[in-house]
Amino acid sequence: GAGVSQSPSNKVTEKGKDVELRCDPISGHTALYWYRQSLGQGLEFLIYFQGNSAPDKSGLPSDRFSAERTGGSVSTLTIQRTQQEDSAVYLCASSFLVVDTQYFGPGTRLTVL
Amino acid sequence: QQQVKQSPQSLIVQKGGISIINCAYENTAFDYFPWYQQFPGKGPALLIAIRPDVSEKKEGRFTISFNKSAKQFSLHIMDSQPGDSATYFCAASKRPGGSYIPTFGRGTSLIVHP
Repeated sequence: GAGVSQSPSNKVTEKGKDVELRCDPISGHTALYWYRQSLGQGLEFLIYFQGNSAPDKSGLPSDRFSAERTGGSVSTLTIQRTQQEDSAVYLCASSFLVVDTQYFGPGTRLTVL
Repeated sequence: QQQVKQSPQSLIVQKGGISIINCAYENTAFDYFPWYQQFPGKGPALLIAIRPDVSEKKEGRFTISFNKSAKQFSLHIMDSQPGDSATYFCAASKRPGGSYIPTFGRGTSLIVHP
């Protein structure tokens, strides 16, 4: 079946512009996560959605970052007024509530010039 | 977030050799320890995982060894193959109330020479 998909695969933007990154989780997965992966670094947790519960936003690095999950499915990560340090690969993952395995998408590579 | 320390940062092994990657954690509340494998241009994929009630788990050529008292766990890849060349991440998490947010190590870049 289809895995987690993300779009766009690559995004180049200018400093100060807003960007939106999209994640389509695996159908039926109730949990959705966003991570950031910088070059040579591990995965930095950003935000977590679980069902209809309030999202865990504890990993968002600043108030320029926000995310929504509509209808318990598709999620959008928005970065406002992008900065060069926002350049990274943004990964989305989904999982069932009671299963620990996270299934990752291929990521969106964001480059801020 | 609690830190998970992973070493080495990079590893070069000859085909047929054993690859060993180590991780150490601090939070004794962690109760789930997965390893992920990531190929270039792809997202990480779960490779193998262990819970602290066992000291070892083996799946094919991949083995996790877990030392609860030392708060360490390691990944062993037996008979390493060029196709195993990838970045490996360890992670640790706890599940209070069903929430699951892992902390990842910084990754190990493994190269297996033919």
